[in-house]
Amino acid sequence: EVQLVESGGRLIQPGGSLRLSCAASGITVSENYMNWVRQAPGKGLEWVSNLYIGGSTYYTDSVKGRFTISRDNSKNTLYLQLSSLTAEDTAVYYCARSVMRKDGFDIWGQGTMVTVSS
Amino acid sequence: DIQMTQSPSSLSASVGDRVTITCRASQNITNYLNWYEQKGGKAPKLLISGASNLQSGVPSRFSGSGSGTDFTLTISSLQPEDFATYYCQQSYSSTRTFGPGTKVEVK
Repeated sequence: EVQLVESGGRLIQPGGSLRLSCAASGITVSENYMNWVRQAPGKGLEWVSNLYIGGSTYYTDSVKGRFTISRDNSKNTLYLQLSSLTAEDTAVYYCARSVMRKDGFDIWGQGTMVTVSS
Repeated sequence: DIQMTQSPSSLSASVGDRVTITCRASQNITNYLNWYEQKGGKAPKLLISGASNLQSGVPSRFSGSGSGTDFTLTISSLQPEDFATYYCQQSYSSTRTFGPGTKVEVK
């Protein structure tokens, strides 16, 4: 069964750091275009970052310099390192994949909640 | 960055109605436009990719059209399970963007 399972979300204080994980089964992370998408409570979807098969990475402007996407091929896992967190980063974070570079995201995880609050 | 807009932001409809949602991109994205359905805080589901390609398992009452900057999602006969929020997304640019969403509610 193809599955993405996120973990690592929790309550964290402003200015803190956190690493989210997305463990894949049934697909190989390094052979897919992997993405992070977030959704603040009651709000719409916001694309956050992606990691191409060749290793290129891209970020939405609001997280550039603060978030880092990466993967561990030996663990078949995608990561998102979050730092300098603010209340505006509070959201459910989803990982998702596309098969081709310009495809839609056909497989999504269940999401992990990050709450930034003092 | 490419900006995406959707209209309407919400609509009320009845079972059996034909529903049309519009999405507009701030620049030409050819046909790199995808549609998603999201229900009750669950993960989104990809309905249509490449503007008009129905994903496997998605009912044929869903269809997509358009190219360039203007796109449409149509539900030909609304079913009870279709009450949800629908998002468009461009995949033309390496930095993806979603539209703000259209909530389809019961009339």
